[in-house]
Amino acid sequence: AQKVTQAQTEISVVEKEDVTLDCVYETRDTTYYLFWYKQPPSGELVFLIRRNSFDEQNEISGRYSWNFQKSTSSFNFTITASQVVDSAVYFCALFNTNAGKSTFGDGTTLTVKP
Amino acid sequence: GAVVSQHPSWVICKSGTSVKIECRSLDFQATTMFWYRQFPKQSLMLMATSNEGSKATYEQGVEKDKFLINHASLTLSTLTVTSAHPEDSSFYICSARDRLVGEQYFGPGTRLTVT
Repeated sequence: AQKVTQAQTEISVVEKEDVTLDCVYETRDTTYYLFWYKQPPSGELVFLIRRNSFDEQNEISGRYSWNFQKSTSSFNFTITASQVVDSAVYFCALFNTNAGKSTFGDGTTLTVKP
Repeated sequence: GAVVSQHPSWVICKSGTSVKIECRSLDFQATTMFWYRQFPKQSLMLMATSNEGSKATYEQGVEKDKFLINHASLTLSTLTVTSAHPEDSSFYICSARDRLVGEQYFGPGTRLTVT
């Protein structure tokens, strides 16, 4: 069985603050993919990043950065200098290559206040 | 880039009627499509996995006779909610897995309201 835990249900920050969204996962598979998605109020999922289990290199994309640590089964997401437009629900997901399906965390609602 | 469309984007129906939702991969072939349901302020829950030309695989607790899934071609899967009830009101999201590259792409979702 696999599981994704996003312990932070809601986070509220003031614009320009940095914020980190935590994601911890459980899986018995050695090959898997981890994802982060953004879901704005419109409901459509916006793909942010995919990382495979063999690639622990951290990644930075503009104000976004991701820290993947297999030793702690974590895949955390940091937004630097947050903006009001970053307000959304963020989901972490684990794709099981054997079962061929994804498991989503419960999501973290981020509110960035001006 | 790859696009997955859903139709309709929202639908309101009366209790007891059936509703069909279409999911299309627009510029790639998808041997596998997934149907998710998301209730307000909750996560996406996988309902079923459909493979082209074969019967869908339903997750535990999902009624296969109520949620009929048909994956008749490599670019189209349909979800029919039969005899809909107010508790079926939800946001239904499909995703399609590109046969060639293995990437999974999500549709924009369909908001179903049963009155």
